[in-house]
Amino acid sequence: DSGVTQTPKHLITATGQRVTLRCSPRSGDLSVYWYQQSLDQGLQFLIQYYNGEERAKGNILERFSAQQFPDLHSELNLSSLELGDSALYFCASSPGTDYGYTFGSGTRLTVV
Amino acid sequence: GESVGLHLPTLSVQEGDNSIINCAYSNSASDYFIWYKQESGKGPQFIIDIRSNMDKRQGQRVTVLLNKTVKHLSLQIAATQPGDSAVYFCAENGGYNKLIFGAGTRLAVHP
Repeated sequence: DSGVTQTPKHLITATGQRVTLRCSPRSGDLSVYWYQQSLDQGLQFLIQYYNGEERAKGNILERFSAQQFPDLHSELNLSSLELGDSALYFCASSPGTDYGYTFGSGTRLTVV
Repeated sequence: GESVGLHLPTLSVQEGDNSIINCAYSNSASDYFIWYKQESGKGPQFIIDIRSNMDKRQGQRVTVLLNKTVKHLSLQIAATQPGDSAVYFCAENGGYNKLIFGAGTRLAVHP
């Protein structure tokens, strides 16, 4: 157990729907990162939050949004889902904005 | 089942041999690099890191070599074991602690 908790582990939904993925960082970690991993691609950075504020944004689609709450957990919202959104979504956390973060075990999203 | 990279390059080694996994990075200004290991159905797991002011760093059974001249990173695993079978990713610092990951290499260890 890495200490980063992601729920749900698996999610199957239909095209056009909206889902919310949840991440609880390791105790004491202030930064949360979201990554997408498709079958034929590596890990793609989506977005980073530090202590509730957005710090960096990657190639995140406009249909996707995220936030970090006062208790530091984070949610990634994916809307108007398309088949191509099927992927593993990982959350990671780190103590600050320096290096060496820890990944959760991911949420496998399948859009049918 | 497989969760990562159906078409990844694969390195096949015999148990007990040494493994070398290579990675080319893109940004000459990157100052921090990490190797991650990802087993099927799990998230990436930190193995070892190195800063750009170093050429080599050793951990337990692993060594990372950094050649900034040719923007090349390698991970050496000594006495490879079946438990080392996984996909290995190198990553470079893309600013604000955003990591840019390489495509990954699958390591298959055969008895």
